[in-house]
Formats: sequence, structure tokens, C-alpha cells
Amino acid sequence: QKEVEQDPGPLSVPEGAIVSLNCTYSNSAFQYFMWYRQYSRKGPELLMYTYSSGNKEDGRFTAQVDKSSKYISLFIRDSQPSDSATYLCATRLEGGGSNYKLTFGKGTLLTVNP
Amino acid sequence: GAGVSQSPSNKVTEKGKDVELRCDPISGHTALYWYRQRLGQGLEFLIYFQGNSAPDKSGLPSDRFSAERTGESVSTLTIQRTQQEDSAVYLCASSLALTGLHEQYFGPGTRLTVT
Repeated sequence: QKEVEQDPGPLSVPEGAIVSLNCTYSNSAFQYFMWYRQYSRKGPELLMYTYSSGNKEDGRFTAQVDKSSKYISLFIRDSQPSDSATYLCATRLEGGGSNYKLTFGKGTLLTVNP
Repeated sequence: GAGVSQSPSNKVTEKGKDVELRCDPISGHTALYWYRQRLGQGLEFLIYFQGNSAPDKSGLPSDRFSAERTGESVSTLTIQRTQQEDSAVYLCASSLALTGLHEQYFGPGTRLTVT
């Protein structure tokens, strides 16, 4: 079993739809939970992060972490064609040194159709 | 300001040849990471540098892979005797060695194709 599982999709939605992206993880020691967005032929860029359990909202984006079920979610409201990209969930341990290395899911390819 | 840059952006090589991939991190970032992204797979950690030393090389897939960093700046990833399974996008990231999130900023990657 991979440490972080993510359905690779692809996912295709109409403009304005609510998008739900999810990951599960196996290591209960993970404490940081991140969502990266990667456009084609570009490097990933950090979209949002959450420390431990809870919700975080930033504009149209909401990140949720449920550590009891080891479940990570990203919701996109009023999706736009510019949101079309691959979304990668990532996790890491607490603390410094090599604990900073990230463990990624496979990524979900999202297309928002105008 | 300038982000992380990587060169070359694309590299096609024949099986058995050696390749060198270069990463220029954001100025002042003391931590540097290499990841590999194979088709249909997530990013896989390869190696972590703190300054010029590499305390974590646990992700390097074989002894054909090596990396170095000089002057707390540029890093090179070398793959010797390349194999077809080495075909992937190689991504470099850098960050400030601070507590908390320790956000990693990624470069655009080098797309390596081994024929």
C-alpha cells in the first residue's frame, strides 16, 4: 500500500461546478497536509496547507483534514476553466531535517469546461 | 524575484549514457530537494540537501544515481548508465530552513527521455 493514495481521475466538470478532490494516507505520524497545483509542463505550486486536523478556507478553495480517518479533501467552489490542472496532495512529518521531505499522491487531472 | 530554475528543460539520451541535470535554487534557500515524477505516478523523493551536505539520500533508486551541491547553491543530479526506466521528469525544490511549514518551491523540471 502506498503511503498516500489519490484517484488520478481524470475529472471533467462544467464551469461553476463544485469540485471535490480526495486523498487517503496510511502514516498516522503525518502532520502537515498540502495541496499542490501543477499546470502542464510546469512545476507544482503550493495551493493550500493544513497543520493537523481541521479546515482551512482561501477564497474558492477549502482544505479539510480528518486525522481520525486519515482523509484529506480539497473543495473548489464556482470552478473556472483556469482551475484546469493536476492537483497533488502531499504530506509530511513534524519537525526538521529530512522530516521536511514530502510524500505525494499520484495527482488528479481536473478539466473545467467553459 | 527569480524562482527555482532547472536545465536542461528536456534531455533525450541513449540507454547507457550518463546525464547531468542542474538545479539553481532560490537565492538564500539552504534546503534543496530532488524529486522524480514518472508518467502516471506521483512525485517520489530522491535526496535532500541542507547546505552542501546530504543527510537524506534514502530515495535514490540505485547507485547509478548521485547528486552534489556546491556553495549552498547549484545542485547537479547525475545518472550514470541510464536505463529506460529512468525516463521521467526530475524536479528540484528549495526552501528556507525555518520551522513551521518549510514551504518548498519547485522548478519547472527536466524531462528526461532514455531511448
